[in-house]
Amino acid sequence: AQRVTQPEKLLSVFKGAPVELKCNYSYSGSPELFWYVQYSRQRLQLLLRHISRESIKGFTADLNKGETSFHLKKPFAQEEDSAMYYCALSGGGYQKVTFGTGTKLQVIP
Amino acid sequence: GAVVSQHPSRVICKSGTSVKIECRSLDFQATTMFWYRQFPKKSLMLMATSNEGSKATYEQGVEKDKFLINHASLTLSTLTVTSAHPEDSSFYICSARYRGPEATGELFFGEGSRLTVL
Repeated sequence: AQRVTQPEKLLSVFKGAPVELKCNYSYSGSPELFWYVQYSRQRLQLLLRHISRESIKGFTADLNKGETSFHLKKPFAQEEDSAMYYCALSGGGYQKVTFGTGTKLQVIP
Repeated sequence: GAVVSQHPSRVICKSGTSVKIECRSLDFQATTMFWYRQFPKKSLMLMATSNEGSKATYEQGVEKDKFLINHASLTLSTLTVTSAHPEDSSFYICSARYRGPEATGELFFGEGSRLTVL
């Protein structure tokens, strides 16, 4: 079974402060991991995926297989980062994609 | 980028009636489509995975006779909520994925459909 855990429902930080959104997963094979974001009144969209190892809008996420984690980080939060963030896991191929329960990030001006 | 269109965006129906929601990939062929239900606190629950030309795979606890999913072509999947009841009122979201050359595994989401059952 595959499972994604996001322990924080809400994370409030001040503008300019560092951000870390936690994600832990459970999967027996080699997972594909993603972070999706949903801004207010918009549809879900991809933020980044672990395979590309890229930084998007200042966010990065590193896959730690030992800790089975894929935490999302940003050194300096901006007000426009306020949104719902979902960690997602897929087994690749035609496998299903499982989402965590999401973390609402609130950046306080 | 790839676009997924979901229709209708809002639907209100009477208890006992059936409602169909369409999900279309407009500019790519979706080898797999997923249907999710988003709850008030925003958590996303996967309902079923649908690969083109084959029967949908439902998640545990999701009634396949109640939530009929059809994925007849590479650009269209439908979710039919049969004999809807007030507890079926929710926000349903579809997503599509392309698995071919240069595929990234990314999901492209529809706008969602708000179903209200009176």
